[in-house]
Amino acid sequence: NAGVTQTPKFRILKIGQSMTLQCTQDMNHNYMYWYRQDPGMGLKLIYYSVGAGITDKGEVPNGYNVSRSTTEDFPLRLELAAPSQTSVYFCASSYVGRNNEQFFGPGTRLTVL
Amino acid sequence: QKEVEQNSGPLSVPEGAIASLNCTYSDRGSQSFFWYRQYSGKSPELIMFIYSNGDKEDGRFTAQLNKASQYVSLLIRDSQPSDSATYLCAVFGGSEKLVFGKGTKLTVNP
Repeated sequence: NAGVTQTPKFRILKIGQSMTLQCTQDMNHNYMYWYRQDPGMGLKLIYYSVGAGITDKGEVPNGYNVSRSTTEDFPLRLELAAPSQTSVYFCASSYVGRNNEQFFGPGTRLTVL
Repeated sequence: QKEVEQNSGPLSVPEGAIASLNCTYSDRGSQSFFWYRQYSGKSPELIMFIYSNGDKEDGRFTAQLNKASQYVSLLIRDSQPSDSATYLCAVFGGSEKLVFGKGTKLTVNP
């Protein structure tokens, strides 16, 4: 099992550009999550999904969009990138209803200039 | 608002000592408790989980849970420089999401 994979590892965007961060898990987990982590700070939940076709906002959803068309994939879309979106983005997945532990991907380091 | 509180540290211990990391949570209905380790520039890695009151040991790590006091701790015995990292406490209360603390930075000095 590859676990949770994310692409790209690094990206530099110009203000106003858009991009999609990819996340895939092969553990058949029902729940998936997107977090951002600013330098020296804790994790902030952006969006999460409880299953294919179902998504919900976390604590910092503004400027982002998500979709979940399959169990495995949970892409995060940034529209009109702003310097405030410079951060490290982590995708995670879990099987809620069993052990509930979340497993994290390696992260995407995004810089908006 | 469900909250998880951790001392931000930094916590500094000498090599070979016991490091004690503490966490309190506000939701009395919380069911599952997790400790993650995060090295600088890396993603969080699950190292321990505990569901029942008492102690759970795994190698040099012991997780302790006291639901009455809403308190969970992580003890690291024989601390090594490689244990230097930020440790995140996370609590699952049945609301579909883990609630994370802000983390405690641990430094183990050789």
